[in-house]
Amino acid sequence: KAGVTQTPRYLIKTRGQQVTLSCSPISGHRSVSWYQQTPGQGLQFLFEYFSETQRNKGNFPGRFSGRQFSNSRSEMNVSTLELGDSALYLCASSRGAASSYNEQFFGPGTRLTVL
Amino acid sequence: DAKTTQPNSMESNEEEPVHLPCNHSTISGTDYIHWYRQLPSQGPEYVIHGLTSNVNNRMASLAIAEDRKSSTLILHRATLRDAAVYYCILRDRPSSGSARQLTFGSGTQLTVLP
Repeated sequence: KAGVTQTPRYLIKTRGQQVTLSCSPISGHRSVSWYQQTPGQGLQFLFEYFSETQRNKGNFPGRFSGRQFSNSRSEMNVSTLELGDSALYLCASSRGAASSYNEQFFGPGTRLTVL
Repeated sequence: DAKTTQPNSMESNEEEPVHLPCNHSTISGTDYIHWYRQLPSQGPEYVIHGLTSNVNNRMASLAIAEDRKSSTLILHRATLRDAAVYYCILRDRPSSGSARQLTFGSGTQLTVLP
């Protein structure tokens, strides 16, 4: 079974630009979550999508947005990039069903550098 | 979300057992205790989880205190590949349609010495 894939793996942008990151979950998984990892703040939750609907949102400004498609693939967008947006962006997929298991499977991440 | 407290770092010798502690004194009755680890240059990966009883899987064991205010992740024989940051996370019971996000703390950096 293929794991979670994220594209691109590395990205360099300049301040003020916008960026779109893509995540393909494990086949059959309907929930996709996004996290930001920085040396200073650690791993922080951005948002979660299930069946094309945003179910949960972390404490990030509106410049961070996302969406999920009918095939469960997800994209996240960051507009008007700031230097502080430089981070590793991780996507995680989960079945999303009600079970005690519901572990999240993480992709390798997209390393975004804002210059 | 209830918080967890872990030591910043620990060291272990290869092929010896490792006990990684986690304190969660404000845990609620519906919180599951999850452990994830993050190997260098990789995304986090699930290790184990439990609610009240001790749990074992192929990767590790989870020992949960009777009052549930602390837990210990046990790696029975540490290998060099186990060097990672280990995160102890409390997570409310799942519901249909929501994965319930993981709230990561700073974790414990485990160094395995050859």
